[in-house]
Amino acid sequence: DADVTQTPRNRITKTGKRIMLECSQTKGHDRMYWYRQDPGLGLRLIYYSFDVKDINKGEISDGYSVSRQAQAKFSLSLESAIPNQTALYFCATSAGTEAFFGQGTRLTVV
Amino acid sequence: AQSVAQPEDQVNVAEGNPLTVKCTYSVSGNPYLFWYVQYPNRGLQFLLKYITGDNLVKGSYGFEAEFNKSQTSFHLKKPSALVSDSALYFCAVRDMAGGYNKLIFGAGTRLAVHP
Repeated sequence: DADVTQTPRNRITKTGKRIMLECSQTKGHDRMYWYRQDPGLGLRLIYYSFDVKDINKGEISDGYSVSRQAQAKFSLSLESAIPNQTALYFCATSAGTEAFFGQGTRLTVV
Repeated sequence: AQSVAQPEDQVNVAEGNPLTVKCTYSVSGNPYLFWYVQYPNRGLQFLLKYITGDNLVKGSYGFEAEFNKSQTSFHLKKPSALVSDSALYFCAVRDMAGGYNKLIFGAGTRLAVHP
């Protein structure tokens, strides 16, 4: 089993719909992150959390919200999806200098 | 703010030839630098990191990277490329702003190794 698991792996949703992307980890790390990947832009940080009570905005948090339900779970929500949120989304965890990534969720907003 | 730049969108190399994927950085303080690789339909995998010490860092799959402080560069290298090295490569720098440890990524460089 993967150490960092993202669900769903692929999702197509309509504009205006609410959608949640989930991430769970078995590494026991306190730090969790959500990134989005767009061609030519690399990975950009959306939100990060250093423990259950600690949530911080990244560089592109507008239109997104997160929930840290437990040390092992960190969910990303799009309250009202829009087409420019079509991207590949990655969850990551870290306990030190190295980060461990999930396999990604490919989200398409039509 | 910390940042990294990858000046090449794509690098093409013949199998067996040496490869270099370029990265330059801009940081305040001592840089913590990383290389990650992304294979098709996969997440990012850690290749190597520079924190301190020897300027030549060895990593996974035969890759290495050379830290050059005067040129603010951290280029990824491999002496002999394999077709299976074809992937998307990301350089990253650690950002400690606000006391939080985050990774800031470059735009990525696609490496294509031709038989």
